[in-house]
Amino acid sequence: KQEVTQIPAALSVPEGENLVLNCSFTDSAIYNLQWFRQDPGKGLTSLLLIQSSQREQTSGRLNASLDKSSGRSTLYIAASQPGDSATYLCAVRSRSNYQLIWGAGTKLIIKP
Amino acid sequence: NAGVTQTPKFQVLKTGQSMTLQCAQDMNHEYMSWYRQDPGMGLRLIHYSVGAGITDQGEVPNGYNVSRSTTEDFPLRLLSAAPSQTSVYFCASSYSSRVNTEAFFGQGTRLTVV
Repeated sequence: KQEVTQIPAALSVPEGENLVLNCSFTDSAIYNLQWFRQDPGKGLTSLLLIQSSQREQTSGRLNASLDKSSGRSTLYIAASQPGDSATYLCAVRSRSNYQLIWGAGTKLIIKP
Repeated sequence: NAGVTQTPKFQVLKTGQSMTLQCAQDMNHEYMSWYRQDPGMGLRLIHYSVGAGITDQGEVPNGYNVSRSTTEDFPLRLLSAAPSQTSVYFCASSYSSRVNTEAFFGQGTRLTVV
């Protein structure tokens, strides 16, 4: 059974720092991996989608990598800003049943 | 573009009451699904649909019903609300479940059962 883990559960860093969020999964048979952002009381906003054949995707200050063989993905945020404060979730689309399997998220706080 | 629209945003129910959470998408997506999000846990799939007239159970279907009479709409019904159903509910859609497509989410419904 596919399991997705995000460590740490919470992270607090000063503004301006570069940071890395981690996502690990137990089964490498995936179609893709998607990173989302969730603001308090709000819905989920898709940040980056990495196909299983890709190694990384970039959007602005965000860079997501995927290493299927080791079951890991990282989300790199450059020059963090207070507006980046949110919960970041990763989800993999399983090849076994086409469903999205979710991590519990990392709550990120950027201190001004 | 409206995307995925959920109503209501907030709801308080008494134990035993029933209600329907509405979800509509205007992107002509085949695949729609309902998740619940509880503190400290990842989103869990309740029910999903791969097209009009087709629905199936996810990981936590008990206490919920769905139907998909049109491509656009995918309502979630709570038959007899229980405190354990207090959660945030998200509806999602994507072009297909069988290709590498992005999932889009509604803003969520925060449900409290007292």
